[in-house]
Amino acid sequence: GAGVSQSPSNKVTEKGKDVELRCDPISGHTALYWYRQSLGQGLEFLIYFQGNSAPDKSGLPSDRFSAERTGGSVSTLTIQRTQQEDSAVYLCASSSPFGAGSSYEQYFGPGTRLTVT
Amino acid sequence: QKEVEQDPGPLSVPEGAIVSLNCTYSNSAFQYFMWYRQYSRKGPELLMYTYSSGNKEDGRFTAQVDKSSKYISLFIRDSQPSDSATYLCAMNNNAGNMLTFGGGTRLMVKP
Repeated sequence: GAGVSQSPSNKVTEKGKDVELRCDPISGHTALYWYRQSLGQGLEFLIYFQGNSAPDKSGLPSDRFSAERTGGSVSTLTIQRTQQEDSAVYLCASSSPFGAGSSYEQYFGPGTRLTVT
Repeated sequence: QKEVEQDPGPLSVPEGAIVSLNCTYSNSAFQYFMWYRQYSRKGPELLMYTYSSGNKEDGRFTAQVDKSSKYISLFIRDSQPSDSATYLCAMNNNAGNMLTFGGGTRLMVKP
């Protein structure tokens, strides 16, 4: 079946502009995660959605970052007033709700490479 | 100090060599341990996961967890050029939602 898809694959924006990044999770996966990967760095957790529960926003670096998930499926990550330090690859992952510890089997999309000039 | 430490490499080996990749961590609450492989400009893909301590083998790959030392390893036997990628360790606790990743080790297997 189809994997996690993200769009756009690349985004170049000017400092101060707002950007929206989209994630389509695997069908049936109720959990959705956003991570950020800076050059040569590991993945930094941003936000987690699970079903209809309130999202875990503990990883968002500032109030310029927000995310929503409509209808329990597609998610959009919005960065307002972008800064150069926001330049990174933004990765989305989804996982199945079944079984204990299911959050370990996270399936990643290809990412959106954001460059802020 | 980061919660999960991983040598960034690069690690260069000849084809057929045995590769050892390692991570250390500081949070004793971690229970699930994973290895992801990431090719250039792609998302990470799950290779193996282990719950608590012990070994797990899958084909050419073996994962080891030593919770007493807070140390995990991934061994790749008979390495191939197609194994060239960045390998990321990741872990979480029983109730954790998010994974905590190491910085990744870049591996190059030369023909």
